[in-house]
Amino acid sequence: DVKVTQSSRYLVKRTGEKVFLECVQDMDHENMFWYRQDPGLGLRLIYFSYDVKMKEKGDIPEGYSVSREKKERFSLILESASTNQTSMYLCASTSTGEGQPQHFGDGTRLSIL
Amino acid sequence: EDQVTQSPEALRLQEGESSSLNCSYTVSGLRGLFWYRQDPGKGPEFLFTLYSAGEEKEKERLKATLTKKESFLHITAPKPEDSATYLCAVKEGYSTLTFGKGTMLLVSP
Repeated sequence: DVKVTQSSRYLVKRTGEKVFLECVQDMDHENMFWYRQDPGLGLRLIYFSYDVKMKEKGDIPEGYSVSREKKERFSLILESASTNQTSMYLCASTSTGEGQPQHFGDGTRLSIL
Repeated sequence: EDQVTQSPEALRLQEGESSSLNCSYTVSGLRGLFWYRQDPGKGPEFLFTLYSAGEEKEKERLKATLTKKESFLHITAPKPEDSATYLCAVKEGYSTLTFGKGTMLLVSP
């Protein structure tokens, strides 16, 4: 079974802090994704990566950056956290190939105070 | 306009009361429609992929079907453990997934 592990289930930070969310997958997947999930808005794509050191903006990249130095690890960075970034953050991975599903981690619930 | 619309937003069923969830989409060049189940506080869990109109997939009490404009997730004789939010997502061309907002299902004993 595919396992996608997010480093923290719950995280509380203060406005202005630099925040790192980590995600590791164990299936040698090429593609990795970061989403945020908010009530009434559903899942929205922040950034994704098709390969090591590659990154592509999703629908809502503002205020975020990412890093993919190794194939199995994809980090989401909040450069200067703000209260409107309080959310559930979900990481996913998938292999290249027609119709391959994305596999998700259990999420990090981030609160910015 | 949303490309993926799920209805109803919430559905309450009695145990054993069959029903269907709907996912309508407006994308052209569909390269896959995905159904996920999400339990509270957890990430989405993959259920099915459908590729073309007329296709059907089944798993236990769940059956997913696809037409050119929508997909249905039929739940037959549901049990309380089927309670979850069900998410639909579509892939258009070689792009990333677009998710609907989900249907929250509650099955009462």
